[in-house]
Amino acid sequence: ETGVTQTPRHLVMGMTNKKSLKCEQHLGHNAMYWYKQSAKKPLELMFVYSLEERVENNSVPSRFSPECPNSSHLFLHLHTLQPEDSALYLCASSQDARFTEAFFGQGTRLTVV
Amino acid sequence: AQKITQTQPGMFVQEKEAVTLDCTYDTSDQSYGLFWYKQPSSGEMIFLIYQGSYDEQNATEGRYSLNFQKARKSANLVISASQLGDSAMYFCAMRGDSGGGADGLTFGKGTHLIIQP
Repeated sequence: ETGVTQTPRHLVMGMTNKKSLKCEQHLGHNAMYWYKQSAKKPLELMFVYSLEERVENNSVPSRFSPECPNSSHLFLHLHTLQPEDSALYLCASSQDARFTEAFFGQGTRLTVV
Repeated sequence: AQKITQTQPGMFVQEKEAVTLDCTYDTSDQSYGLFWYKQPSSGEMIFLIYQGSYDEQNATEGRYSLNFQKARKSANLVISASQLGDSAMYFCAMRGDSGGGADGLTFGKGTHLIIQP
């Protein structure tokens, strides 16, 4: 039990579908993150939220839309995805958005067909 | 910009031997943190160890130690007395201090470690 829970664990969606990934942390952390892990590529930081405000957006396509309604919950809304978006999406949280270690959820394995 | 380089795509090691996983980094930040994570086949990223750039002593956590050589910009992970359960992907990562903003971690490509009985 890492304290960071992601749902669903697996998701298959068509290119015209709309779906959402959910992340919840019970660690009292102030920062949350979305990462994308594709095959044979380093983890890519997608979004950072600190105290519920987005502080970094690494040129992620607009078909990915994050939402952080409170410090414990983070969503990634997906629409009109492409097959190359198939990957493992990892959520993480940390005490703050500086030097503290991040704790990860188990990820959502997304397949776009 | 920050960059992490892990030059060992995969390693086979006999059980109970010590393992060194290489990591070099590049950053223009004066202060930064270095991290190692383990990712088993289940996909979860497990935090192992942290080293701050101004820490004078190498970090240790149980069987894990970090061989930090600041001048060479290297932060190798050493696993003593390896166990079969250590088989996993290992990622080196860093987070810098880019002037007060919030930063995510920058990861290397990882090393796939396989412990053989």
